[in-house]
Order: sequence, then structure tokens, then C-alpha cells
Amino acid sequence: DTGVSQNPRHKITKRGQNVTFRCDPISEHNRLYWYRQTLGQGPEFLTYFQNEAQLEKSRLLSDRFSAERPKGSFSTLEIQRTEQGDSAMYLCASAVGTVAYEQYFGPGTRLTVT
Amino acid sequence: GQQVMQIPQYQHVQEGEDFTTYCNSSTTLSNIQWYKQRPGGHPVFLIQLVKSGEVKKQKRLTFQFGEAKKNSSLHITATQTTDVGTYFCAGWAGGGNKLTFGTGTQLKVEL
Repeated sequence: DTGVSQNPRHKITKRGQNVTFRCDPISEHNRLYWYRQTLGQGPEFLTYFQNEAQLEKSRLLSDRFSAERPKGSFSTLEIQRTEQGDSAMYLCASAVGTVAYEQYFGPGTRLTVT
Repeated sequence: GQQVMQIPQYQHVQEGEDFTTYCNSSTTLSNIQWYKQRPGGHPVFLIQLVKSGEVKKQKRLTFQFGEAKKNSSLHITATQTTDVGTYFCAGWAGGGNKLTFGTGTQLKVEL
């Protein structure tokens, strides 16, 4: 257990529905990342927060995806109007450091869109 | 955009054999990290390399960062069943805020 928690662990939804995932990072970590991982692939960067500021967002991320980190603590990732191609594992990672950022991953939320 | 490739994609070895995975980036990296992901698990940080030509060892694992800081390798000596999993390299490009993961090498160890 890395200390990063994610909820829910599994989510099954119908196409077109909205879903929201939550990530609680390690408390003293100011950096928070969201990734998406599909079977047989490496984690794919989605977005990054430093404290409450969203500093980078992947160009691959459509406008159906939005993430927030109010107060620089937990973060939420929302997917609107889900599509079957959104089915994946959504991983959250937190980090702290000034030079290099060892990432501590949570267990992930597995999304299945039917 | 930055791409990080790994070879081989899969590797089956007998317990006791050595294993090596190679990582190549399309761009120069400021540093490189290695992660291990067990089946059904999440990536777990193994190590970070920063300097050109750097070599680090962790017990049976040896990590190397290329002179040009565009490639890296992980070598496991005398594999054990506990080494099973997928090994990912991940690179930071200078000034970037995102970590680009490689395609991964899945290692299976048979008794």
C-alpha cells in the first residue's frame, strides 16, 4: 500500500453516462498525476496538478474529460458522455520533490463502459 | 511528441536465467525511471537514473542510462519467480511536467 487511495475501484457504466473518480494522494505530496492504462500498454499521461493548479493536460484528452484538485488535496477526474473507448484503468499518482519526482501510484479505478 | 519504446515486448525465461529489457527514447531525457507492475497491480517505482552513463545496482537488478541519455537498460541476474511482472521505463524530458512511459516488457519466469 503506497498511501494513495482511489475510489471506486471498479465502475461499470452505460455509454453516454457521466462518471467521476476520486484520488486521495499522500498528504504531503504537492504533485498529482492522472494516467490511463489499457491492457498491454504503459500508463498514458492525462493531466498534472501542482497543488491546486492544473499545469499540464494531454492533447489526447478530449473535452469530455475534466479534472479538479480543490484546495490542493484530493482530486477528481470526470468523464462526460462516456464511450466504449474510455474503458481502461485510470491511475492516480502523487509525488513530491524539487528535482525528480518518484511517483507513488494508487490501485486504480477500472472503468468498463457497456 | 516524445515516444519511448521498449524491447522485447515479452520474455519467457527459466528460473535462474538472466533477463534484459531495453528502453529507447525519441528525445533526450533529463532522467529516467523504472517501474515494475505485477499482474493485477499498479506500477511501483524501482529506481531513477540522472547522469549520462550512470549505472545503479539493486541486488540482482542492474540499471544503466546511456551516454546520450536517450536509452536505458534493466538487467536481472538469475531470475526468480518473484521477478514476474511488466517492467516499464519512464522518462522526463527537460522542462516537462509529464512522465512518458515506455511500452513495457512483460517477464514470465518458469520453474
